[in-house]
Amino acid sequence: EVQLVESGGGLVQPGRSLRLSCAASGFTFDDYAMHWVRQAPGKGLEWVSGISWNSGSIGYADSVKGRFTISRDNAKNSLYLQMNSLRAEDTALYYCARGSNPGLLVFRFDYWGQGTLVTVSS
Amino acid sequence: NFMLTQPHSVSESPGKTVTISCTGSSGSIASNYVQWYQQRPGSAPTTVIYEDNQRPSGVPDRFSGSIDSSSNSASLTISGLKTEDEADYYCQSYDSSKGVFGGGTKLTVL
Repeated sequence: EVQLVESGGGLVQPGRSLRLSCAASGFTFDDYAMHWVRQAPGKGLEWVSGISWNSGSIGYADSVKGRFTISRDNAKNSLYLQMNSLRAEDTALYYCARGSNPGLLVFRFDYWGQGTLVTVSS
Repeated sequence: NFMLTQPHSVSESPGKTVTISCTGSSGSIASNYVQWYQQRPGSAPTTVIYEDNQRPSGVPDRFSGSIDSSSNSASLTISGLKTEDEADYYCQSYDSSKGVFGGGTKLTVL
């Protein structure tokens, strides 16, 4: 059974940093691209970032480019999101999602975690 | 930047058919696959349609997807509506190595 379990969320002040993690199990992790998708309270889904199976291709939404860094450790079956210079508008539930392909040429999210909540507030 | 536009909400009665549209802002929506996700309150999204018109195993054939190039739009059609279909529905595609979601449509089955 595919499982994605996010962690690392919490309350953080504007301008500070936070690192999210996603532990994957139930599939061969390095066969798939991975993504972060967020959802602000009461709002819709927003793709944040994606990384190919071997970290050779990485993409970011314009809203986070230059502030967030995605990475993965295939030996640990883990995905990460380093979030710097956080803003109030980054407040959201952050989902880890598995891509349906190894690369970033096609974007389809076939499994999702339950999310970890990030609240940016003073 | 490429955007997908959905109606904010739709409503229909049980047993009826409803169609939710998803219109691309530029280019051809047919150039890249469109997916549809269902999200119930408090839950993560799940796929109901992928690659324009494919249903994952376990999704009933009451759900179907299509592409209309003439209007540059994708559609999700749900027939034989059930109260359990009440949820938010999001279309999703991609462009220039970025994922793109529509704003979501709240389906009310009343």
